[in-house]
Amino acid sequence: EVLLVESGGGLVQPGGSLRLSCEASGFTSNSDWMHWVRQAPGKGLLWVSRINSDGYITTYAESVRGRFTISRDNTKNTLYLQMNSLRAEDTAVYYCARGSTGVGLYWGQGTLVTVSS
Amino acid sequence: DIQMTQSPSTLSASVGDRVTITCRASQTISYWLAWYQQKPGKAPKLLIYDASSLQSGVPSRFSGSGSGAEFTLTISTLQPDDFATYYCQQYNSYPTFGGGTKVEIK
Repeated sequence: EVLLVESGGGLVQPGGSLRLSCEASGFTSNSDWMHWVRQAPGKGLLWVSRINSDGYITTYAESVRGRFTISRDNTKNTLYLQMNSLRAEDTAVYYCARGSTGVGLYWGQGTLVTVSS
Repeated sequence: DIQMTQSPSTLSASVGDRVTITCRASQTISYWLAWYQQKPGKAPKLLIYDASSLQSGVPSRFSGSGSGAEFTLTISTLQPDDFATYYCQQYNSYPTFGGGTKVEIK
């Protein structure tokens, strides 16, 4: 069974940092793109970032560019999102997804990030 | 950014109805469009990719069509399990989602 499990969410003050992780299991290779997508409470989906299979190609949404960094460690089957200079508007459930350049085929259950003083 | 506009934002329907959701892109995206279903408290589920390709395991009552800048998702015969929120997403450039369409019980 393929599985993606996010962790690392929690409460952080504005201006603070947090690192999210997404551990993959049940996949036979690491050839897929991986994505972070977030959803603010009661709102729609917002794509955040993506990374290619070897980690050399990354893309970010304008709203997080320069503050967030996506990375992956294929030896640990883990995707990361380093989030710095957090703002109240970054409060959301963060999902990791795995698939192609643009499509998320497999999704994790999400981890909640709350930015508040 | 490519903006994606879905309509309607809410749709009231009954079991057995034929349902159509529209998604318009602010510029042409060829057929680089996906549709997802999301239920409360759950992750999105991929239904359709490349505008009209049905993801494995998704019931055949779901279909997608369109190309360029206008797309539709159709549920041929609405089932109780289909009441959910649906999102379109383009991936011609870096991905962006539509605002969602909530399909609720009439």
